[in-house]
Parts: sequence; structure tokens; C-alpha cells
Amino acid sequence: QAQLQESGPGLVKPSQTLSLTCTVSGGSISSGDYFWSWIRQPPGKGLEWIGYIYYSGTTYYNPSLKTRVTVSVDTSKNQFSLKVYTVTAADTAVYYCTRVSQYYYYMDVWGKGTTVTVSS
Amino acid sequence: QSALTQPASVSGSPGQSITISCTGTSSDVGTYNVVSWYQQHPGKAPKFIIYEVDKRPSGVSNRFSGSKSGNTASLTISGLQADDEADYYCCSYAGGSTYVVFGGGTKLTVL
Repeated sequence: QAQLQESGPGLVKPSQTLSLTCTVSGGSISSGDYFWSWIRQPPGKGLEWIGYIYYSGTTYYNPSLKTRVTVSVDTSKNQFSLKVYTVTAADTAVYYCTRVSQYYYYMDVWGKGTTVTVSS
Repeated sequence: QSALTQPASVSGSPGQSITISCTGTSSDVGTYNVVSWYQQHPGKAPKFIIYEVDKRPSGVSNRFSGSKSGNTASLTISGLQADDEADYYCCSYAGGSTYVVFGGGTKLTVL
């Protein structure tokens, strides 16, 4: 069974870039059956889809975040990554990486999540 | 404001059944049979409990069931148990340039 693990700094200063990596174990990120996605959850609020990537590098983004985010994949390391540019306090959240069925769009495997706080 | 509308809270007593609605539009829930539901306990990652409107993943109790009518999907939990107390989120594919939309979440309280 695949497992996902997020990693990255827990504290980012305003206006800087938030960078996170998700490491996939127990399965290949190059499986054609899945997208690999980032979701975030601000404190006390609901889930927000950020974007997802196919192993080929094709990306899909939430239109409300599209100008400030980049998702990339490194198949050699079985990892995918997220960058959020010019962060503000509103980007403070728990960030989850997930596996998404390419055909039915359900998120069947989730990482445990990592908390990122934007503060000076 | 979330793209899919869920009630903020629902409650029920042990043994009872409850239903959580998830209302979208003809651009998402109404067109695509790919609604999924997630259960989230406090401090934990969401857990996938329903996919393709009414299918249960292996290992998920048959007390959880899903359905859809028009632009509204629903999650029903029967035989409520204390451990069902959690937040529940619906999600749908939305096509176009939107791709994925979540509901705002519903807090289930087991009285």
C-alpha cells in the first residue's frame, strides 16, 4: 500500500516562498493510474485543493491559486513538490499531499500533513 | 466560500441515522458521477470513505452510504457510533479549468 510523507520548513516569512516535498513509498509515482495532489487546510477551516500533477509533468491548478503556485515531479526520487510564492498569513495551513485516481478523481491515500506557519 | 454547499453541522444519537447533503451545480455534481466523501477526526488527515457517488473502499463500514440526485449528493451514516463524530467533506470533479471542488465541511456530533 502506498504511503505519502510531506516534508519542509514549518515556518516561512511573509513574501517568501513556501516549499514542500512529498515522498511516495510503497508504489511508483510513475504509475499511470494516478495524479499526485496538494491540499491545504487553514486553521479551523475546510479543505482547499491546490493542484495536481501527472508523472509526465502535466499540471492542473486551482484557478484561485494558479498565479502563485507550482507543482513539480521528480520520478527518479519518487517525489513531487509544491512551491507557493509570495506567501502571506493567509497561506498558514496544514498541507497534505494525496494520491488521486486519474479516472474517478478520488483521493485514496493521504499524507499525515505538515503545518506551515507564515510569520515574521 | 466553498464551491459545494454542506450544512455546517448535523447531530444524532447513537444508533440513529443521519444524512449530510452536498449541493453543487450542473457544472460539477450534476454532471459528473465522481463525488467522493472524506471523514476527518480532529488533528488527523482526512480518510476516504465514499467514491463515485456510492461506492465504498475496502475496509469502510457498510454503515456509510452515498447517493446523488440532480445537483445534490448525500452521505448517510446509519447506526451512529461515537467514533463517527468527525468532520465530513464532499468533493467533486468540476471539469473545465476548475477541476476539483470541495464542500465546506460538516461537523457531525453524536449526542
